[in-house]
Amino acid sequence: GESVGLHLPTLSVQEGDNSIINCAYSNSASDYFIWYKQESGKGPQFIIDIRSNMDKRQGQRVTVLLNKTVKHLSLQIAATQPGDSAVYFCAENREAGSYQLTFGKGTKLSVIP
Amino acid sequence: NAGVTQTPKFQVLKTGQSMTLQCAQDMNHNSMYWYRQDPGMGLRLIYYSASEGTTDKGEVPNGYNVSRLNKREFSLRLESAAPSQTSVYFCASSRTSEDTQYFGPGTRLTVL
Repeated sequence: GESVGLHLPTLSVQEGDNSIINCAYSNSASDYFIWYKQESGKGPQFIIDIRSNMDKRQGQRVTVLLNKTVKHLSLQIAATQPGDSAVYFCAENREAGSYQLTFGKGTKLSVIP
Repeated sequence: NAGVTQTPKFQVLKTGQSMTLQCAQDMNHNSMYWYRQDPGMGLRLIYYSASEGTTDKGEVPNGYNVSRLNKREFSLRLESAAPSQTSVYFCASSRTSEDTQYFGPGTRLTVL
């Protein structure tokens, strides 16, 4: 089975609130993790990535947290906007140093105006 | 820059027909990838090309062949299409095999 999965398949948040999307992984050898956003009818769009030597990485309105102890990855979106509505995928590399990615099934984020 | 482009955007085939999906990138990337995405699932790697002149199988290569025509172009061929190959196909590229992958808009393929 897939080693990358998501706790919540759907998430609805009020506009302006913060969103947290979670992802579990099972491969201890993975050392690279990435979040993609996919809008309907479009290809995945890179959001942010993190390597295993880091616990946290911040971008514009987004933060990725990595907890290697429990093999958990999360994406935090601050002040969620309607344009954030999409499916979010986490992905991991299968082997250390490899960039062959394994994707989770995705979480659909719906922003309520 | 157009980034990663894919043609066609939509295609309907009959079982047993063949076709080639085209992908091109203008970012001077060395590595290119083909994925398929089925409803409610994440992307699965079909084939990849770490650099011009090399190709390798991914997670689900059966029923597909690829050609890295040059540094810019990476095509995916279905020799004898089957209904199980109905999917959305995404091409991606990265500067090297150790860099972030950037995706094209996808080709929606239906095999009847």
